[in-house]
Amino acid sequence: QPVLTQSSSASASLGSSVKLTCTLSSGHSSYIIAWHQQQPGKAPRYLMKLEGSGSYNKGSGVPDRFSGSSSGADRYLTISNLQFEDEADYYCETWDSNTRVFGTGTKVTVL
Amino acid sequence: EVQLVQSGAEVKKPGESLKISCKGSGYSFTNYWIGWVRQMPGKGLEWMGIIYPSDSNTRYSPSFQGQVTISADKSINTAYLQWSSLKASDTAMYYCAKWDIWGQGTMVTVSS
Repeated sequence: QPVLTQSSSASASLGSSVKLTCTLSSGHSSYIIAWHQQQPGKAPRYLMKLEGSGSYNKGSGVPDRFSGSSSGADRYLTISNLQFEDEADYYCETWDSNTRVFGTGTKVTVL
Repeated sequence: EVQLVQSGAEVKKPGESLKISCKGSGYSFTNYWIGWVRQMPGKGLEWMGIIYPSDSNTRYSPSFQGQVTISADKSINTAYLQWSSLKASDTAMYYCAKWDIWGQGTMVTVSS
């Protein structure tokens, strides 16, 4: 079963960029992942599906400020021109034939 | 519009049973896996299990196997999550999710 590792927190100033990392466990470096955003008190929201090649497909209505990239077992979510509404928890997710799993989430603070 | 609409908040006593629902609309409900996710207060997201409504093929996360039952009624585009005997530790927000759409969540509170 794959395991996803995320740092617990990240912060950046309003209008700057932040890059979040999700690392796949050994033997699962080719897996596709998804990124989800959860603003305080709200249901999660799907942001994008991200492949190992770095190709990504965003959900409907997701701003252009959100982009994805990959390197080896690492999957990245970059938020450019950070806005106050981007302050949220960000979870990566992956799956195989029998299970789905989330990372522990990264809390993003906008300074 | 593609959406998942969940049933309302529940307050139950330990030992009681419960079944919550998730109705899909705006897409072919039978053709996509749909799952349930637990979020305990102040904690992260945990996959509980998933179901393929077309044939009710169901897979459970090991942590939840035997603790809950996931089912679906494809005639009314609805998935279900049920407990036979609730515990205080089942107090949490529960979300249903297709791969790219989330329900609004159902808060379950179990307290004597």
